[in-house]
Amino acid sequence: DGGITQSPKYLFRKEGQNVTLSCEQNLNHDAMYWYRQDPGQGLRLIYYSQIVNDFQKGDIAEGYSVSREKKESFPLTVTSAQKNPTAFYLCATSVQGAHEQYFGPGTRLTVT
Amino acid sequence: KQEVTQIPAALSVPEGENLVLNCSFTDSAIYNLQWFRQDPGKGLTSLLLIQSSQREQTSGRLNASLDKSSGRSTLYIAASQPGDSATYLCAATQGGSEKLVFGKGTKLTVNP
Repeated sequence: DGGITQSPKYLFRKEGQNVTLSCEQNLNHDAMYWYRQDPGQGLRLIYYSQIVNDFQKGDIAEGYSVSREKKESFPLTVTSAQKNPTAFYLCATSVQGAHEQYFGPGTRLTVT
Repeated sequence: KQEVTQIPAALSVPEGENLVLNCSFTDSAIYNLQWFRQDPGKGLTSLLLIQSSQREQTSGRLNASLDKSSGRSTLYIAASQPGDSATYLCAATQGGSEKLVFGKGTKLTVNP
């Protein structure tokens, strides 16, 4: 069963704690992306990776970190430096850059 | 910097009506433009991808067009059904880059 999985679906954390969101894919896609979605706003790119062991900052990378140690996995850590972490986080993949992007089901993070 | 606008923000139509959703972008130097569907609380589902060299793409009752010179794309939905109710998002690549820039979406409601 091919696809993109994000876990957990809902995540709750206390302010000041770091939290890591999981994104796994078995589509054999090279490129992976993390987006953030807030009510009334379009999706905004946090980080993206076009190849293992390499990644680039997107438009809103401050307060976030990523790693790409395996082709299948692209975890996102939301650090305590992120001022407004509560949001819906979406992971996406594509065969390569500038190709069709496919999205996972998302993780809703609530920080109180 | 690429900016993507979708008008209207919300649209309500009776079942069976043909409808058009609009998307405009500011930078015509795009690699591609992609249309997505998002159901409440879910990830994005890719509907259609139009490469910069193409004028339109069709999938079932959906037809998407691209006019780079005017910076516009339209998504045509034929014979709308209540199951088409969702938010439709348009995304265009940022000039010279494979990164996608998203509009805020059009929330479509099809009434039985």
